[in-house]
Amino acid sequence: EPEVTQTPSHQVTQMGQEVILRCVPISNHLYFYWYRQILGQKVEFLVSFYNNEISEKSEIFDDQFSVERPDGSNFTLKIRSTKLEDSAMYFCASSTAGGKYNEQFFGPGTRLTVL
Amino acid sequence: AQKVTQAQTEISVVEKEDVTLDCVYETRDTTYYLFWYKQPPSGELVFLIRRNSFDEQNEISGRYSWNFQKSTSSFNFTITASQVVDSAVYFCALSESNAGNMLTFGGGTRLMVKP
Repeated sequence: EPEVTQTPSHQVTQMGQEVILRCVPISNHLYFYWYRQILGQKVEFLVSFYNNEISEKSEIFDDQFSVERPDGSNFTLKIRSTKLEDSAMYFCASSTAGGKYNEQFFGPGTRLTVL
Repeated sequence: AQKVTQAQTEISVVEKEDVTLDCVYETRDTTYYLFWYKQPPSGELVFLIRRNSFDEQNEISGRYSWNFQKSTSSFNFTITASQVVDSAVYFCALSESNAGNMLTFGGGTRLMVKP
């Protein structure tokens, strides 16, 4: 069964460093998302991406964040200068059509630890 | 603005007991979608069900059932004859038709099923 994959599973970085989290969405999906979950808290929407551009983003997704689909398969989230409060589990998701109509399939997550 | 509330932060039951997880939502939209996701200890988010606002028919899938009541803005989830493998955090989520594709998650309910 096709699934969303994410790498790495765990990333440790120093405050101020740049990190890139990688995701491979399900191949025939057209909508891509990033969410984050601070430990013990709820899952929060960051950004959605469709047709090679951001379709919407939350207040969390400030100028420190960017997303890219560099090729036909990968979808990346970049944090330019990490802060301690960026420590969280980051989930990538994809859906065949707009997520309001179709379920979003989530990857296993990347745990980011900022020291 | 959309909001999802899961008042039960943690529930503990003994195996074979039935358990209901509550979800109450707020939305100004007439068209919206409700979801349940399961997050087992391994951390991934597993899609369980999607329901649109025009379909109030309750659904049963094996030991799982869902009760959608627009009059009370609730979308409750019942597990019948719970098993240890049901132990997880369960999230209810909402997507509004006018809010793009973002999912708004509730705070989650941690379910512990003891043998």
